[in-house]
Amino acid sequence: AQSVSQHNHHVILSEAASLELGCNYSYGGTVNLFWYVQYPGQHLQLLLKYFSGDPLVKGIKGFEAEFIKSKFSFNLRKPSVQWSDTAEYFCAVKKRNRDDKIIFGKGTRLHILP
Amino acid sequence: NAGVTQTPKFRVLKTGQSMTLLCAQDMNHEYMYWYRQDPGMGLRLIHYSVGEGTTAKGEVPDGYNVSRLKKQNFLLGLESAAPSQTSVYFCASSYSMDRGPQHFGDGTRLSIL
Repeated sequence: AQSVSQHNHHVILSEAASLELGCNYSYGGTVNLFWYVQYPGQHLQLLLKYFSGDPLVKGIKGFEAEFIKSKFSFNLRKPSVQWSDTAEYFCAVKKRNRDDKIIFGKGTRLHILP
Repeated sequence: NAGVTQTPKFRVLKTGQSMTLLCAQDMNHEYMYWYRQDPGMGLRLIHYSVGEGTTAKGEVPDGYNVSRLKKQNFLLGLESAAPSQTSVYFCASSYSMDRGPQHFGDGTRLSIL
């Protein structure tokens, strides 16, 4: 069965530090990939997505993610985090052009120290 | 410019009671979803709909029912609430299944005593 793994459950960084959150998936076929963010007390928002083309995807608020097909990975990065990036981040995967549903990872809680 | 609206925002029920959560979207999206979010579990799909009059089971459908009588509304029902259904429930919508849920509601925090 398809699965999504987010390796870090809880990450604590200081402001201006660089961020990389890992995401790996298990499906070998063509996939659509997503990162969602949930700020404290709010609903999920789409941060960025990859469907095809350039494997380096840029999203909102300075985030980017790189799709590495050979590693089944879609890691999220930001060069310099801010206190306002404190949130929970979810990776998600969807088999393309199939009736299968999108599968979410269990989330990574990011805490930025001011 | 409401997007996805969920009602109610909070609710406390006693075991065995029933209730309905309402989700409304104003973006003319075909696809609508109900998720539950539990600590350390991420989001799990309960039921979804690919269009008016259709519903389908997700990962964790047991104990829930849904209806999509109108394109803009997706109702989630708990017929006999159980403490295991204490969770935060999110509704979402999208115009394409492949593109994943694009807009989420603010959530309903449900406690079952």
